[in-house]
Amino acid sequence: QSALTQPPSASGSPGQSVTISCTGTSSDVGGYNYVSWYQQHPGKAPKLMIYEVSKRPSGVPDRFSGSKSGNTASLTVSGLQAEDEADYYCSSYAGSNNFGGYVFGTGTKVTVL
Amino acid sequence: QLQLQESGPGLVKPSETLSLTCTVSGGSISSSSYYWGWIRQPPGKGLEWIGSIYYSGSTYYNPSLKSRVTISVDTSKNQFSLKLSSVTAADTAVYYCARHTGPPDYWGQGTLVTVSS
Repeated sequence: QSALTQPPSASGSPGQSVTISCTGTSSDVGGYNYVSWYQQHPGKAPKLMIYEVSKRPSGVPDRFSGSKSGNTASLTVSGLQAEDEADYYCSSYAGSNNFGGYVFGTGTKVTVL
Repeated sequence: QLQLQESGPGLVKPSETLSLTCTVSGGSISSSSYYWGWIRQPPGKGLEWIGSIYYSGSTYYNPSLKSRVTISVDTSKNQFSLKLSSVTAADTAVYYCARHTGPPDYWGQGTLVTVSS
């Protein structure tokens, strides 16, 4: 199972929006509405920001939104704030025919200029 | 508040077996709603799913690691464990334990395991 493909970096000024893509295949991203997104600050555990493509866990600001089209999912962070600077990872269910687990993306470092 | 805490040796010799335990507090590992998993992250790199276990003992593993991985659960201690055999330097990583129904929502803080002689 190969890692999902993300751009290595993205950036934006405070108040702007940034969108991160996550490309997989029909066996993962395209096959299920089980795409999630994590935020990871240096030295910290990942934090779940989006699940099932576009749902936000309690406590996650609505500045974070997710979508999917075909084999590519996207995370948009609107109204960028300094604390949004972090690494972001997508994840997708890999299907019971695979190993029933989840595959992660390669990660994108978001810089707030 | 659910908390997960990894524990185990921080240094393992090549060819030996890496053993880690995750202690769950603030909730029962026997809850029928959740799986309990292990995920790792080599220094400066991305995340990799290792495998997961249900409280009943059913497991599933990443095919790339399956031949070397064993995950077990001890409901009496509210713990689950990871064993990774025949380790090499490529297994050096921060190892996280996590709870999940779908994607992991609660994570431990992670523990760095270095494989070196």
